[in-house]
Amino acid sequence: DAKTTQPNSMESNEEEPVHLPCNHSTISGTDYIHWYRQLPSQGPEYVIHGLTSNVNNRMASLAIAEDRKSSTLILHRATLRDAAVYYCILRDDTGNQFYFGTGTSLTVIP
Amino acid sequence: SQTIHQWPATLVQPVGSPLSLECTVEGTSNPNLYWYRQAAGRGLQLLFYSVGIGQISSEVPQNLSASRPQDRQFILSSKKLLLSDSGFYLCAWSPGQQYQPQHFGDGTRLSIL
Repeated sequence: DAKTTQPNSMESNEEEPVHLPCNHSTISGTDYIHWYRQLPSQGPEYVIHGLTSNVNNRMASLAIAEDRKSSTLILHRATLRDAAVYYCILRDDTGNQFYFGTGTSLTVIP
Repeated sequence: SQTIHQWPATLVQPVGSPLSLECTVEGTSNPNLYWYRQAAGRGLQLLFYSVGIGQISSEVPQNLSASRPQDRQFILSSKKLLLSDSGFYLCAWSPGQQYQPQHFGDGTRLSIL
């Protein structure tokens, strides 16, 4: 199964953009890239997903490298409510499993 | 719209006691259903997933089991809990189509004494 690698933690100042990186060098051609975030004592929340093209929604943007071996989740203006653990996941195209790593813990500094 | 319900929110159980956690989904049919466990400060570990009634796939051998008696009901059970079963248990669902995201419940915080 394709794995992802993320930094353990990152910090950002409030109201500044945040770029959260993810490496997935063994991604297969049909794997979608999903991002979730988890607030303390809550279940993960879906943020965004994509295949090849960059994606935008009301929560964030997803930038996918041309070779698809890495991606970046972009929060355009970090708020204190964006402090969470962010998970980058590849959707298994042969089954129905989702594999979560330890994610990136984002701290937003007021 | 679809909703997922998971209960109880917190549970304290003695070692050796049985366990039953329930999860139900509303507003969709034939969802894929998942049970995860999260130890303190760790990532999510997939325990079981189901693509239909009575169909259960186990990811990690252990003293837990799962059942899907109805299309939108997923149950996590144990006959005898261990101290190592403590953790945050999460139920999730996704549409049957590939590549669709998962949606999680609020979780159950299980403490074993």
